[in-house]
Amino acid sequence: GENVEQHPSTLSVQEGDSAVIKCTYSDSASNYFPWYKQELGKRPQLIIDIRSNVGEKKDQRIAVTLNKTAKHFSLHITETQPEDSAVYFCAASMRRVNRDDKIIFGKGTRLHILP
Amino acid sequence: DTGVSQDPRHKITKRGQNVTFRCDPISEHNRLYWYRQTLGQGPEFLTYFQNEAQLEKSRLLSDRFSAERPKGSFSTLEIQRTEQGDSAMYLCASSRIGTGTEAFFGQGTRLTVV
Repeated sequence: GENVEQHPSTLSVQEGDSAVIKCTYSDSASNYFPWYKQELGKRPQLIIDIRSNVGEKKDQRIAVTLNKTAKHFSLHITETQPEDSAVYFCAASMRRVNRDDKIIFGKGTRLHILP
Repeated sequence: DTGVSQDPRHKITKRGQNVTFRCDPISEHNRLYWYRQTLGQGPEFLTYFQNEAQLEKSRLLSDRFSAERPKGSFSTLEIQRTEQGDSAMYLCASSRIGTGTEAFFGQGTRLTVV
């Protein structure tokens, strides 16, 4: 079955600097890679996702890259702000027209934005 | 609130008791997932449904855990003979199958077994 590894487990960056979180997956059939943000005491919420037919996707300060050959994908946050402090989870799944597979999550990265 | 809702939000139970949690997904979502999350960890897959059919159950899940989605709408997760190791946040998520749709999470049910 699918296995998702995520690094680092904790990341501290100065406000305004960039943060990068990396994930690898094991199942080459996976084609959908969402990223979730979880603030303390709250539910995980999707911040960006990418499908295997593209290599990069951007949404304002957030970008995700995917290397299908190497089976890894990364989250990039630029110009970090205090409200970016949270736990971030990567995930992998296989999405088809009539059936979706389960979503497997990484263990998470706790991001601290330092003033 | 038209999102995913879970009930109860918190449950404290004595070891050995049975507990049942409920999840109401977003109304047009035919996919429903159950996850367990412990402190400092990512959501751990438990089981998922497509409409009323349970498609997969985690191999890590003991026979004390059972889930149902009888009419393809709400779902229940039951834990029998609870153990202290069952203490965790139980999260439900729903989505619509096919490409282009995200999974939305509920607020979760925090279970404490004493």
